[in-house]
This record gives sequence, structure tokens and C-alpha cells, in this order.
Amino acid sequence: EAGVTQSPTHLIKTRGQQATLRCSPISGHTSVYWYQQALGLGLQFLLWYDEGEERNRGNFPPRFSGRQFPNYSSELNVNALELEDSALYLCASSLNRQGGNQPQHFGDGTRLSIL
Amino acid sequence: AQSVTQPDIHITVSEGASLELRCNYSYGATPYLFWYVQSPGQGLQLLLKYFSGDTLVQGIKGFEAEFKRSQSSFNLRKPSVHWSDAAEYFCAVGPSGNTGKLIFGQGTTLQVKP
Repeated sequence: EAGVTQSPTHLIKTRGQQATLRCSPISGHTSVYWYQQALGLGLQFLLWYDEGEERNRGNFPPRFSGRQFPNYSSELNVNALELEDSALYLCASSLNRQGGNQPQHFGDGTRLSIL
Repeated sequence: AQSVTQPDIHITVSEGASLELRCNYSYGATPYLFWYVQSPGQGLQLLLKYFSGDTLVQGIKGFEAEFKRSQSSFNLRKPSVHWSDAAEYFCAVGPSGNTGKLIFGQGTTLQVKP
């Protein structure tokens, strides 16, 4: 069974540009989560999607947004990129909306570098 | 506020020695607890989880963890460390309520000496 897959592996952008990161969950999983892992800041929760709807977002500005498609895959969009957005972006998926009793399984991440 | 503390930023052990990584949490209700491992350049791999029941949980790769409510701890252990265990280890709690959000500790980097 394939795990969570993310693309691209690496992404290099300049300040002010827009970035799109993609995630395919494990087959059968309906919830998708996004986390940012920035140097010195640890793992920070960004967004949670389930059944095509945004269920929760972390303490990030509105230029971080995303969506979930009918096949449960997801996109994370970051507009007006800033140097501080350089980080590893991790996607996770779980079986159902009530994520508490279902562990989140992570992909290998997209390394976003802002020049 | 919910939080997770991993007191040890960096730990070095000799190959074959036992290992214990510490994790303390602050959580208002019965927590869901997890340990993840991250090798360089990779994502997080779930080692084990605690939801309820037996307080000693077994995971993959020979790891186990013990939930101690009285100490608000969920320490990770392995009786004999292998060189391939060198990685960063994260303890996490949650999600709280219906937020979907896992709260992670800052991580412990494990170095294994030959």
C-alpha cells in the first residue's frame, strides 16, 4: 500500500512568488493535514481538510491556503512568499474526520526554499 | 494550554546500549500520545501510539513506550540501540477536541556511537 506522497520534493522560489505543494493521502484516508517544519521553530500545524472542507487552520497568515479535491488529494498554496517561509512542508493523512483516535501518517515533505 | 516537552535536545548512546527518550505532556483530558521518528531528509514515521488501555505499548523497530498518568510522561525505550536508529525523535499529543492538530515536542536527536 502506498504511503502519503508529496510533490515536488524540492521547490525553489523567490520572494513575492507563489508556491503550490501537492499531497496524495493513503488510499481510504479522507483527512489531510499540513504542517510546517521550519528551522528552530519545530513542527507547526497549518491546515486540516476533511471531505473537501477546511476543518481547522493554525496560526498562519491568510496567504497560506489550500484545498482538498474529491479524490481527497490536497494542495497547499503559499502566496507572496517571504524568506521566512523557507521550510519543510509535511502532509499527513488519517482515516476519518475524528482524527483523535486515528494516527496521522506523514509523507516525506516538500522542501521549499525562498531566495 | 496543551504542550509537549522533550527535555533532551541531543542524546548520544553506544551501539548495543539501552535507550530512553523522555517526553512530558500537558493536556486537559486523557491524551492520545504518539512517537514519531524522522531520518535526515525524510518525513515522520509513526513508531507507536497510545490511546487507552495497557500503559506499556509496543511499536515498530523494537521500540516501546510507557504512559504514566501520574507523571504526565510517555517515555520511549529500546533495550539495544542499532546504528540505524540515529535520527530525530518527536513526541506528540492530540488532536485535542475536534481540531485535527497534533502538538509536537521540539524533538530529540539521537546519535549512536559505534
